[in-house]
Amino acid sequence: AQSVAQPEDQVNVAEGNPLTVKCTYSVSGNPYLFWYVQYPNRGLQFLLKYITGDNLVKGSYGFEAEFNKSQTSFHLKKPSALVSDSALYFCAVRDSTGRRALTFGSGTRLQVQP
Amino acid sequence: GAVVSQHPSRVICKSGTSVKIECRSLDFQATTMFWYRQFPKKSLMLMATSNEGSKATYEQGVEKDKFLINHASLTLSTLTVTSAHPEDSSFYICSANAPVGHNEQFFGPGTRLTVL
Repeated sequence: AQSVAQPEDQVNVAEGNPLTVKCTYSVSGNPYLFWYVQYPNRGLQFLLKYITGDNLVKGSYGFEAEFNKSQTSFHLKKPSALVSDSALYFCAVRDSTGRRALTFGSGTRLQVQP
Repeated sequence: GAVVSQHPSRVICKSGTSVKIECRSLDFQATTMFWYRQFPKKSLMLMATSNEGSKATYEQGVEKDKFLINHASLTLSTLTVTSAHPEDSSFYICSANAPVGHNEQFFGPGTRLTVL
C-alpha cells in the first residue's frame, strides 16, 4: 500500500521569507510524486511533479520540490513567500507500475503573513 | 493544460432525493476518471475509479448502490448520489488522467453537496 505523510497541519511564514512544506511517502517501486494546491471551495491545481531525472523539480508560481530517495521525502519549497500563496497544499504519490489513482497526504495549510 | 469541468458547482437538496454530478474532460479524452470526496479540513479520499465502457471500481467502504457511477463516453463521467442523506453532504471532486505524455491528474473544480 502507498501512503503520504504531511506532518504539519499548518505552516506560518512571513511574506518574503522562504517556505518549506514537508512531505514523506511510502510506495512500492519507483514513486511518482506530486504537489497540488487548493484554494477555498475550489478543486486542486497542479504545481509540480517528480517522475524521474533531476531531484530538484521546478513548478508553477516559483515553487520547487526536492526528491530525496534515501529519506523518502518530497518537500515543497519557495525562496520568497507571497501572501497569495496562502492556501491548502497536498502532496500525493502513486507508484509507476500499479493503479493510477493518487494517494494524498492530509494537507498542510500555508498561511503567509504580510 | 488539460481542463476538467464539473457541474453543478454547488447543489442543495432535500433528504431522500438523488443528485447527479457531471465530470467532463473538455479538451482531451479520458478513459479513466476518478471520484474523490473531501470532508471539511480533510484530505481527499478516493471513492471510485470510473472506466469508460465498463463498471466502476469502488474503494472499500464505498456503497456501490448509493454512489452510482457511469462513464458513458470518453469525456464524461457522472456520479449520482442516490437517496441522499445529510451525512452525504461533502465536497466531491473528480479528476482525469492527463493525456498521453503526462503523468499528473487534472482535477475538476469540485461540487459542494448539501443535503438538508
